Amino acid sequence: ETGVTQSPTHLIKTRGQQVTLRCSSQSGHNTVSWYQQALGQGPQFIFQYYREEENGRGNFPPRFSGLQFPNYSSELNVNALELDDSALYLCASRSSGRAGADEQFFGPGTRLTVL
Amino acid sequence: GQQLNQSPQSMFIQEGEDVSMNCTSSSIFNTWLWYKQDPGEGPVLLIALYKAGELTSNGRLTAQFGITRKDSFLNISASIPSDVGIYFCAGQPSYAGNNRKLIWGLGTSLAVNP
Repeated sequence: ETGVTQSPTHLIKTRGQQVTLRCSSQSGHNTVSWYQQALGQGPQFIFQYYREEENGRGNFPPRFSGLQFPNYSSELNVNALELDDSALYLCASRSSGRAGADEQFFGPGTRLTVL
Repeated sequence: GQQLNQSPQSMFIQEGEDVSMNCTSSSIFNTWLWYKQDPGEGPVLLIALYKAGELTSNGRLTAQFGITRKDSFLNISASIPSDVGIYFCAGQPSYAGNNRKLIWGLGTSLAVNP
């Protein structure tokens, strides 16, 4: 069983640029969530995708957007980067509609630094 | 965003000691999850709890879903150096409905002195 993978592992961007982060779900999982984790904080929910549609969103502006593909992999796009966007971005997958559906499994994260 | 009240914020203990940490909320939760995160890594699920009063063990780890559904605790018995890391509680509030987003605590940083 393949776990959740994310790419790239590290990324450095400058203010105003755009970034795309990628995630491959764990085998058999159809739901993907993205989180932002600032240093010393717990993960903050950005949004969740199920069946290629966003079906839940946290308190993040529209410049944070995403996609889910038919193979359940996902992208997180952030436009007009700001310094405060510097964080570890985590992708988590789970399988909806079965027992234990709330159990999310995380990838290693992408460390984004905005200069 | 909303966060759970997790305590203590940090702990420094001797190898072999037992550890206890807890999370509380003002809202009722349907699910409580406990994760461990090592530096530069994603959180790893330790224990999942789905019923009020449920007590679940995973090796030296034991967690309970509080009867009021507003709290949970995690115990680690006979700590070892590899227990070092940050422990997070997370839960799905009942008001979230089918949204199923997780609310997280700020973490408990555990250091173990060999």
